[in-house]
Amino acid sequence: SQQGEEDPQALSIQEGENATMNCSYKTSINNLQWYRQNSGRGLVHLILIRSNEREKHSGRLRVTLDTSKKSSSLLITASRAADTASYFCATDNNQGGKLIFGQGTELSVKP
Amino acid sequence: DADVTQTPRNRITKTGKRIMLECSQTKGHDRMYWYRQDPGLGLRLIYYSFDVKDINKGEISDGYSVSRQAQAKFSLSLESAIPNQTALYFCATRDSYTGELFFGEGSRLTVL
Repeated sequence: SQQGEEDPQALSIQEGENATMNCSYKTSINNLQWYRQNSGRGLVHLILIRSNEREKHSGRLRVTLDTSKKSSSLLITASRAADTASYFCATDNNQGGKLIFGQGTELSVKP
Repeated sequence: DADVTQTPRNRITKTGKRIMLECSQTKGHDRMYWYRQDPGLGLRLIYYSFDVKDINKGEISDGYSVSRQAQAKFSLSLESAIPNQTALYFCATRDSYTGELFFGEGSRLTVL
C-alpha cells in the first residue's frame, strides 16, 4: 500500500508563478523526502526533512512538515519551464530502511 | 560513468520468458533497492537488500526474485514474465548517513 498520497495529481502554471504540492501519509515517520523525475528518467533527490523539523529551504524550494496532520508540502518559488517534471514524496517510517513513495504530482510550467 | 547503472535500458520479451535486470553501483553503498513504476501508481518497492546476506521483500515481490552477488551488484529476475509486469523498473542505492536514494536511469520492460 502507498504511504504517501500527493495532491494535486497534476498542476499547470505559468513561468514565474509559485507551485505548491502536498503529500499526506498514514503512519509516523523518521523523515520525509522529495524527489524529482524528468520524463522517463531516474528520480533525483531534492530535499529531506526530519520528523523533528518543521520547515526546510534549499534554493527556490521550501518544504514544510506537519506531523500532527501527517502532511508535507513542497513549494517551488518563481517557477521556470525547466521545473517541468514529476515530483514525488517518500516516507521513511523506520521500518527496516524502506522508503515508500507517493503517486507523484506532474508539474507543467509554461513559458 | 553513472553511479548507478542498469542494464538493459529497454527490453521487449514474450510471456513465459525468464528475464534478468542488472544493477551495478560505484557509490559504495550497502543498501540497494528495486522499484517498479507504473503510470498513476508512483513507485512500488519490490525487494531491498542491506548487504550480500540480507534480502528483504517489499510491497510487491510476488513473481520476482533478486540476487545480491556483491556489494556493488543487485539483480532482479522475472522467472516467467507476464504482461502485467510491463513497467519501468528502477534500481537505487541508499546513503546510510543522509538517507538519500540514488537512482539508476531505469529499465523499461515490455512483456507481450
